Amino acid sequence: DVKVTQSSRYLVKRTGEKVFLECVQDMDHENMFWYRQDPGLGLRLIYFSYDVKMKEKGDIPEGYSVSREKKERFSLILESASTNQTSMYLCASSLSETGGTETQYFGPGTRLLVL
Amino acid sequence: GDSVTQMEGPVTLSEEAFLTINCTYTATGYPSLFWYVQYPGEGLQLLLKATKADDKGSNKGFEATYRKETTSFHLEKGSVQVSDSAVYFCALGNTGFQKLVFGTGTRLLVSP
Repeated sequence: DVKVTQSSRYLVKRTGEKVFLECVQDMDHENMFWYRQDPGLGLRLIYFSYDVKMKEKGDIPEGYSVSREKKERFSLILESASTNQTSMYLCASSLSETGGTETQYFGPGTRLLVL
Repeated sequence: GDSVTQMEGPVTLSEEAFLTINCTYTATGYPSLFWYVQYPGEGLQLLLKATKADDKGSNKGFEATYRKETTSFHLEKGSVQVSDSAVYFCALGNTGFQKLVFGTGTRLLVSP
């Protein structure tokens, strides 16, 4: 059974803190993604990675960075958390055989509150 | 660029009612189309998909047909259950691009 796990379900941080969100997949997928989900806005892509140490900006990368040192792990970093980064963060992974036609598999999400 | 538009919710239905959630898209080329479902407190999971025009995706009693002439991929179910209450996302994936483009989601509430 495919599995994408995220390090925390709920997280509370203070403004200015550095925040790490971890995602691990056990499917040997090449692609991994970080989205944020906000009411009325759907899912917006922050960053994605198509291979170890490779990354590309998504639609809303400002204020975020990512790290992918191992194929199974993709980290999202909030360098200095701000209240407008309060959101639900979803990680996903997919194979890369046919590009965007591949199914993405999602983790359960991390609900982050920045005070 | 590519985009997906889906009907705003919430959609409120009684059990056993017929469901339609509209989804239209704008894209170049020949995208694949997806419906994902998000149950309360969970991440998204694939409900169904279609990879070319006139394909019908189906799963768990849900169906959607890829209509290129109307650029639509409407989700339907003949008889909804309380357990179908969730948020439904229409999405598009285009060949050569790794990312999916999502609609804003439609919340479905089914009452007994």
